[in-house]
Amino acid sequence: SQQGEEDPQALSIQEGENATMNCSYKTSINNLQWYRQNSGRGLVHLILIRSNEREKHSGRLRVTLDTSKKSSSLLITASRAADTASYFCATWYSGGGADGLTFGKGTHLIIQP
Amino acid sequence: DTGVSQNPRHKITKRGQNVTFRCDPISEHNRLYWYRQTLGQGPEFLTYFQNEAQLEKSRLLSDRFSAERPKGSFSTLEIQRTEQGDSAMYLCASSPGTGGYTEAFFGQGTRLTVV
Repeated sequence: SQQGEEDPQALSIQEGENATMNCSYKTSINNLQWYRQNSGRGLVHLILIRSNEREKHSGRLRVTLDTSKKSSSLLITASRAADTASYFCATWYSGGGADGLTFGKGTHLIIQP
Repeated sequence: DTGVSQNPRHKITKRGQNVTFRCDPISEHNRLYWYRQTLGQGPEFLTYFQNEAQLEKSRLLSDRFSAERPKGSFSTLEIQRTEQGDSAMYLCASSPGTGGYTEAFFGQGTRLTVV
């Protein structure tokens, strides 16, 4: 089963523009994480936001978390061609869970030069 | 130690054959996870280990799949009697600590093609 769902499934923007992708999840969480995956490669951890945090920044990344709506957003500012990748949100269930760190289906981001 | 290492990177096998993949986690990491990913989908959890103990196994995991982590170091994932539906990328990840809820570090994956 997949806990999170990203939206949109695909996004194409011009280089230099900002990219926003959203994630919704179903149950209470301990934290929510965002990962990037370049085509055919492993996943790279981007940022982790805890359930008691509302916003977090890392370089050009900004993540928000709204636990009342069970949703998160990832904003990439001043996008670059190298940002082209799939982006996944992932959550741990608060109780540990039998599904480990559970991923959504991802948003495929294309940055047009 | 430069990260999580998976071998082989690619495997092509005939239907019905057995295959085994290896994962070497980051050396100080206690937790090790296996995921399966098909095209256009997110990683799907298979199983995870805390040191040498296999703590969880996905309800979706067929009995043809087995994983081990002897001595709490490297891990192997074996698929017996492979089927075409087993074709996927198999990802291994590790994380530090015993309490969970931390970031996971992924290997590059093993891409399996069953013909």
